[in-house]
Amino acid sequence: AQSVTQPDIHITVSEGASLELRCNYSYGATPYLFWYVQSPGQGLQLLLKYFSGDTLVQGIKGFEAEFKRSQSSFNLRKPSVHWSDAAEYFCAPNFGNEKLTFGTGTRLTIIP
Amino acid sequence: DTEVTQTPKHLVMGMTNKKSLKCEQHMGHRAMYWYKQKAKKPPELMFVYSYEKLSINESVPSRFSPECPNSSLLNLHLHALQPEDSALYLCASSQDWTNWYNEQFFGPGTRLTVL
Repeated sequence: AQSVTQPDIHITVSEGASLELRCNYSYGATPYLFWYVQSPGQGLQLLLKYFSGDTLVQGIKGFEAEFKRSQSSFNLRKPSVHWSDAAEYFCAPNFGNEKLTFGTGTRLTIIP
Repeated sequence: DTEVTQTPKHLVMGMTNKKSLKCEQHMGHRAMYWYKQKAKKPPELMFVYSYEKLSINESVPSRFSPECPNSSLLNLHLHALQPEDSALYLCASSQDWTNWYNEQFFGPGTRLTVL
């Protein structure tokens, strides 16, 4: 069965600290992989995506993600977070059925 | 212009009312989507239109009726809703529904409250 897991419901980090948000999937092949961010009361914005090629992907707002086939993971990272990064983050694979499958999301809180 | 607009931003309606949500994009995208998002949950796909034809209906109750009058517009007609239908309704668009690598662009959503 196809599935996506974001193990961390809520993460709190200090401003300026590094960040890693985890995403694991279960699928017999490499899905199309997306990370979206949703600020409070807003729609979703694409941070980055991966399908093939270089396994380290650069996105907007200083985010990057690394695809690891052996771990079926696509973790999102940022070296130094800003207060404006406080939001909900969704990992969303496309398992080849024309639909995004959203993970349950990770809520990021930034403390000064 | 990479914007998807949605109106209204907020809507409060009674269970006997009829109302409509509107979504518009001018990016030349040929796929448009409706999602429903409950608080602290991920978006759930409701409908997909591709080239103005309904391609996916995720077993949504008939009290929700989508319409795609042209390639730029997507409506969601609401009738006889229940309080549990209160949610954020998100519209999205992408270049082509069948190209799974295409990014979906989301609107800011309509916050719907059913009394």
